[in-house]
Amino acid sequence: QSVLTQPPSASGTPGQRVTISCSGSSSNIGSTTVNWYHQLPGTAPKLLLYGNNQRPSGVPDRFSGSKSGTSASLAISGLQSEDEADYYCATWDGSLNAVVFGGGTKLTVL
Amino acid sequence: QVHLVESGGGVVQPGTSLRLSCAASGFTFQTYAMHWVRQTPGKGLEWVAFMWFDGRTAYYGDSVKGRFTISRDNSKSIVYLQMNNLRVEDTAVYYCGGDPPSSGYALHVWGQGTMVTVSS
Repeated sequence: QSVLTQPPSASGTPGQRVTISCSGSSSNIGSTTVNWYHQLPGTAPKLLLYGNNQRPSGVPDRFSGSKSGTSASLAISGLQSEDEADYYCATWDGSLNAVVFGGGTKLTVL
Repeated sequence: QVHLVESGGGVVQPGTSLRLSCAASGFTFQTYAMHWVRQTPGKGLEWVAFMWFDGRTAYYGDSVKGRFTISRDNSKSIVYLQMNNLRVEDTAVYYCGGDPPSSGYALHVWGQGTMVTVSS
């Protein structure tokens, strides 16, 4: 059981906009910023968004993030086949004194 | 070029020890907090440990607390993970990650991972 809750799967067709949710609590998402990672099969994870909605260099602006209360969301617009990957949210939990990850969402591009 | 390279993985028996290393290059290692994250094949990411840039503070996940120790040598740009009393459930790919100043525990840099298999 992950501290952060994500849907196990999501899907969309090319060009569509999809969102992936991440639910937490007051000790994690509710009190600090959220980071998002994506992971292609057989490769290491990569940072997608940090500080709720900041994109590292090289990440296209099709990827955006938001946070409200104890939940966060990742939005991908103009879905492309290469976006098919696993997506994870993560943040710091002040009660656990630990970084916590969501269980991951497998995005399928139909 | 920013780079992290893990090493030290392998196949070990339950109850034994292993030390992983992660060598950094291409960035100012001594200003970054460093993390270890693991992933059981086919499963999600599990945070293991992290250490502040200066080596003064470390935090651990509950599943490894008391058995694993993170350390770093800023003069060599290397972070270590000493794993003692290994269990079958510690079997995973272990990644190290770099967390730059003021990034909110975001791992901007990742290594390619090293596989640890604990089996009798």
